[in-house]
Amino acid sequence: DTEVTQTPKHLVMGMTNKKSLKCEQHMGHRAMYWYKQKAKKPPELMFVYSYEKLSINESVPSRFSPECPNSSLLNLHLHALQPEDSALYLCASSQEGQNEKLFFGSGTQLSVL
Amino acid sequence: GENVEQHPSTLSVQEGDSAVIKCTYSDSASNYFPWYKQELGKRPQLIIDIRSNVGEKKDQRIAVTLNKTAKHFSLHITETQPEDSAVYFCAGPLNQAGTALIFGKGTTLSVSS
Repeated sequence: DTEVTQTPKHLVMGMTNKKSLKCEQHMGHRAMYWYKQKAKKPPELMFVYSYEKLSINESVPSRFSPECPNSSLLNLHLHALQPEDSALYLCASSQEGQNEKLFFGSGTQLSVL
Repeated sequence: GENVEQHPSTLSVQEGDSAVIKCTYSDSASNYFPWYKQELGKRPQLIIDIRSNVGEKKDQRIAVTLNKTAKHFSLHITETQPEDSAVYFCAGPLNQAGTALIFGKGTTLSVSS
């Protein structure tokens, strides 16, 4: 299995809602990532987990809360988002997390109303 | 931290022509240089990568060249086809440990037949 699976594919939420994005990989990769991508822009790094520990937080607002329950799963909990947070949220994984190929999921298209 | 600059932002070619996209990086310790292709509505996919111990790598119509002295690496696509139309991103390491990738701003390639 060489896939990174993200759910849901689409999500619409209000500014007072709480929702979660989920990401799963079964390649035995030990590094997992969240990227945010706005239309016509590059993916922008948000968080990095290495061996299930948060290793990088790129100054992301606290309304985004990552979680890595085990080596195969990565969640992104969303609370009190703003309309400008609407974007494609991409999960990725890599084998060891150093100078390696990233495998991307197909993303969750998020709209905040 | 690392900085990756990509040029041009848009590139239009006729089918059969060659296309070249260039990226420059700032950290001389960088040793992994990937290129990703993203079609509309899809995830970024690695198309080719190169490590600092080689100067060029080819895969059919796609090649990447690396000039470590000048700190730039380039994507070359020969005999372009309409299905090569997409956004192409180069990437570089976020930090000296290479624990995450950051992306250039992207090049929108249009191949007309």
